[in-house]
Amino acid sequence: SQQGEEDPQALSIQEGENATMNCSYKTSINNLQWYRQNSGRGLVHLILIRSNEREKHSGRLRVTLDTSKKSSSLLITASRAADTASYFCATAPSGSNYKLTFGKGTLLTVNP
Amino acid sequence: GAVVSQHPSRVICKSGTSVKIECRSLDFQATTMFWYRQFPKQSLMLMATSNEGSKATYEQGVEKDKFLINHASLTLSTLTVTSAHPEDSSFYICSATRRGSNQPQHFGDGTRLSIL
Repeated sequence: SQQGEEDPQALSIQEGENATMNCSYKTSINNLQWYRQNSGRGLVHLILIRSNEREKHSGRLRVTLDTSKKSSSLLITASRAADTASYFCATAPSGSNYKLTFGKGTLLTVNP
Repeated sequence: GAVVSQHPSRVICKSGTSVKIECRSLDFQATTMFWYRQFPKQSLMLMATSNEGSKATYEQGVEKDKFLINHASLTLSTLTVTSAHPEDSSFYICSATRRGSNQPQHFGDGTRLSIL
């Protein structure tokens, strides 16, 4: 079953603006991960946030996790045209470190 | 970084052909590898989980005789689509992960399979 659900499904912004994508899930998790996929390519791991963490940063990326609301957000600051891609959240359920369930993704377009 | 190589990147073949896709972890030992299928503009659908030296675990609805998975070593897993038909046309992606808790998956670049 589909675990993560991202919103919005599509987001179009101008270079330099911030982009925020949200993810909701339904069951208890061990961790939540964000991935990026460029068209026709594989996925690139961005950030992993554990269930006992609330916020994590990596460069221009900021991820938050609210386990009480079963939701996460990915913020990309000062976006660039090269950030144009699909972004997926994926959850690893409690008791399993390995098997991920992916959401449907958010297609981000950053216009130059 | 962790690099996963997937080959071939694109296959076009006739109906009835069997196609083998390789997934290699180049700089780490992958205790577990995963095979996904992705339809256009959709999310990844897990097909099977492959552990080195043991039989793959298939997701519900995935035919194990149709999609043969072999994980012969800690760096190589293969997916063979047997007697492929047009409905098997899709984007297939592998990933690999290290042993241990809270490890991310590292993905290959995918294989675009087109069955004529």
